[in-house]
Amino acid sequence: NAGVTQTPKFQVLKTGQSMTLQCAQDMNHEYMSWYRQDPGMGLRLIHYSVGAGITDQGEVPNGYNVSRSTTEDFPLRLLSAAPSQTSVYFCASSYRGLAIDIQYFGAGTRLSVL
Amino acid sequence: AQSVTQLDSQVPVFEEAPVELRCNYSSSVSVYLFWYVQYPNQGLQLLLKYLSGSTLVKGINGFEAEFNKSQTSFHLRKPSVHISDTAEYFCAVSDRDTGFQKLVFGTGTRLLVSP
Repeated sequence: NAGVTQTPKFQVLKTGQSMTLQCAQDMNHEYMSWYRQDPGMGLRLIHYSVGAGITDQGEVPNGYNVSRSTTEDFPLRLLSAAPSQTSVYFCASSYRGLAIDIQYFGAGTRLSVL
Repeated sequence: AQSVTQLDSQVPVFEEAPVELRCNYSSSVSVYLFWYVQYPNQGLQLLLKYLSGSTLVKGINGFEAEFNKSQTSFHLRKPSVHISDTAEYFCAVSDRDTGFQKLVFGTGTRLLVSP
């Protein structure tokens, strides 16, 4: 049971390049989310998904795309990277059900856009 | 919409001293409240959560927090800190209606424990 796995751990991009941040969980969680963490701003929700085929926008969705074709995976796509997207990105997952559960976080992807 | 304020960006403290990390929230609806800890170069781990019931919540590593509805606060406390408690601590809130999936985080408090 690996929990929430994010790849890569580090990435440097040039402005305008595209890339996909990968997130996978092996806990059969329905809910998955992407956050970005910036100094002095805490974590902000980018996109989230309540199950395969269902996604929705969070607080800061512009410049990011997501899809959820399987329960296990929730990739985050940057179509044209900008310096403002330099940040640490965290993926999280949790159960969906009657009982309130917690979000489990991955170790993060540190992205620099030059 | 909810918001969270962590007034202290950094709290220095000596080992074995008590500590309180402050968190105030704003919401027009009932909320769930959380404290997460982030050790250097790691993801976030849940310390404790308030869902309902007793206003004093105990978490892992000897931490506890008290929910005060009238003051809209959820301060985190530990009676005696260790060097290993050095980390960043985030308070978070979610709307009871939309659920705990959409967390709103505070800006974090860096706890620095020195010998």
